[in-house]
Amino acid sequence: EPEVTQTPSHQVTQMGQEVILRCVPISNHLYFYWYRQILGQKVEFLVSFYNNEISEKSEIFDDQFSVERPDGSNFTLKIRSTKLEDSAMYFCASSAGFRETQYFGPGTRLLVL
Amino acid sequence: QKEVEQDPGPLSVPEGAIVSLNCTYSNSAFQYFMWYRQYSRKGPELLMYTYSSGNKEDGRFTAQVDKSSKYISLFIRDSQPSDSATYLCAMSAGYGGATNKLIFGTGTLLAVQP
Repeated sequence: EPEVTQTPSHQVTQMGQEVILRCVPISNHLYFYWYRQILGQKVEFLVSFYNNEISEKSEIFDDQFSVERPDGSNFTLKIRSTKLEDSAMYFCASSAGFRETQYFGPGTRLLVL
Repeated sequence: QKEVEQDPGPLSVPEGAIVSLNCTYSNSAFQYFMWYRQYSRKGPELLMYTYSSGNKEDGRFTAQVDKSSKYISLFIRDSQPSDSATYLCAMSAGYGGATNKLIFGTGTLLAVQP
């Protein structure tokens, strides 16, 4: 069964460093998303991406964040200068259509020290 | 008022019990309702997806949506220890909206005791 994959599973970084989180969405899906879950809190939407551009972003997704689909298979989230409060689980998701089911990856646990 | 509210639990039940999980919401624009299951340190896994009001059944799982009360439920029949997980409700706005972002509840931690 097709699934969303994410790498790395864990990342530890120093405050102020740049990190890139990688995702491989399900191959025939057209819509891509990033969500995050701070420990003990709810899953929060960050950004959605379609047709090589951002279609929606939340207030959390400020200038420190960017997304890219560098090739036909990968979807990345970059945090330019990490802060302590960026420590969270980051989930990538993809869907075949706008109202179709969003399938989530296993997540990348980011710890900023 | 929070957009989506969900009792975080924990909820502990004996094996074989019927489990009822619930969420309330405040945004009347929500039309699409989902239940995800999340095992510890894993990604959310879709269990049920419903549109508008009504019931949907899939095996031991039944999802109910009551839009007039802004209330959704997930019932699990004959619960098993393998059902032990966090159950997340999620919803998104419907027709006419340009958004398909999911708004999640906090999740209810369920433990099914053998």
